Amino acid sequence: GENVEQHPSTLSVQEGDSAVIKCTYSDSASNYFPWYKQELGKRPQLIIDIRSNVGEKKDQRIAVTLNKTAKHFSLHITETQPEDSAVYFCAASIVPYDMRFGAGTRLTVKP
Amino acid sequence: GAVVSQHPSRVICKSGTSVKIECRSLDFQATTMFWYRQFPKQSLMLMATSNEGSKATYEQGVEKDKFLINHASLTLSTLTVTSAHPEDSSFYICSARDLRDGDGNEQFFGPGTRLTVL
Repeated sequence: GENVEQHPSTLSVQEGDSAVIKCTYSDSASNYFPWYKQELGKRPQLIIDIRSNVGEKKDQRIAVTLNKTAKHFSLHITETQPEDSAVYFCAASIVPYDMRFGAGTRLTVKP
Repeated sequence: GAVVSQHPSRVICKSGTSVKIECRSLDFQATTMFWYRQFPKQSLMLMATSNEGSKATYEQGVEKDKFLINHASLTLSTLTVTSAHPEDSSFYICSARDLRDGDGNEQFFGPGTRLTVL
């Protein structure tokens, strides 16, 4: 089955700096890669996603890149703000089947 | 649109009792719903895939007789934790895909249910 690895487990940056979180996946058939932000005790919130036929996607301060050959994808957050502090999860899925999550990255943005 | 609800949001029970958690898609139909468990400071672990009108598919290591799943309609799936024990205490989250979404990419998550077994 699919195995998703995520790094780093914790990340601390100064406000205004960029943050990068990386994930790798094992199943080359995976075709959908979402990123979720989760605050304590709440549901995961989709922040950006990418399909396997696209190499990069951007939404304001957030971007995701996908390298299908290497089977890895990354989340980039620019101009970080304290409200970006949360746990971020990557995931990989073979649509419309189940989704596997990475272990999570706790991002702390220091004012 | 694409709202998923869960009930209850929080439950505390005694060891040995059974607890039922409901997951509803409020404004869309979902032939497939997914149940996850999340322990503190850990990731979401898929427990089972709930299929409307058929048996659920359980992940390896998840006891199907302990975690009973019923998906009786296109908008409701239930997870029953039978004979709950303290080690079952966790955050249980369901999700569903919206069939109206042409390629069914996004999964919509419920708000979660915090189960505490004393």
